[in-house]
Amino acid sequence: GENVEQHPSTLSVQEGDSAVIKCTYSDSASNYFPWYKQELGKGPQLIIDIRSNVGEKKDQRIAVTLNKTAKHFSLHITETQPEDSAVYFCAASRSGGYQKVTFGIGTKLQVIP
Amino acid sequence: ETGVTQSPTHLIKTRGQQVTLRCSSQSGHNTVSWYQQALGQGPQFIFQYYREEENGRGNFPPRFSGLQFPNYSSELNVNALELDDSALYLCASSLANSGLFNEQFFGPGTRLTVL
Repeated sequence: GENVEQHPSTLSVQEGDSAVIKCTYSDSASNYFPWYKQELGKGPQLIIDIRSNVGEKKDQRIAVTLNKTAKHFSLHITETQPEDSAVYFCAASRSGGYQKVTFGIGTKLQVIP
Repeated sequence: ETGVTQSPTHLIKTRGQQVTLRCSSQSGHNTVSWYQQALGQGPQFIFQYYREEENGRGNFPPRFSGLQFPNYSSELNVNALELDDSALYLCASSLANSGLFNEQFFGPGTRLTVL
């Protein structure tokens, strides 16, 4: 089955700096890669996603890149703010009979004011 | 548009008991997936329901079962609870079109503690 590895597990940045979280996946058939932000006591919230026919996607301060050949994808957050502090999960899934989303272990991001 | 809701928010059970967790899908969604999230881990896929039938399952034993109702709400049932079942249980809904599944939206979860 699919295996998603995520690193780093913790990340501290100064407010205004950029943060980068990297993931790799094992199933070459995966074609949908969402990123989730989870705050304490809440469920994961979808912040951005990318499909396999696209190499990069941006939404304001957040961008995601995908390298299908290397099976790598990354989340980039620019101009970080204290409210960006949370746990971020990458995930991978593929279209088919059903959608099983496999998550990474998570990255705890701390933005220091 | 109503988001995904789950009940109850917290639950305490003892080993060997049975539990039922509930989920209401986001308006317009027809697919529900359930995940188990242990402390400090990412969510793990339990199973998915589409058109009231289980159409995919992760590595969970048969004592984890579910239902989806005509209004697309769903239940997760766990029998013979074990200490390791203590976790946050998440429900996610999505809209499947022509066999393609789109982004999933998660509820706030139910925190289950097994003593």
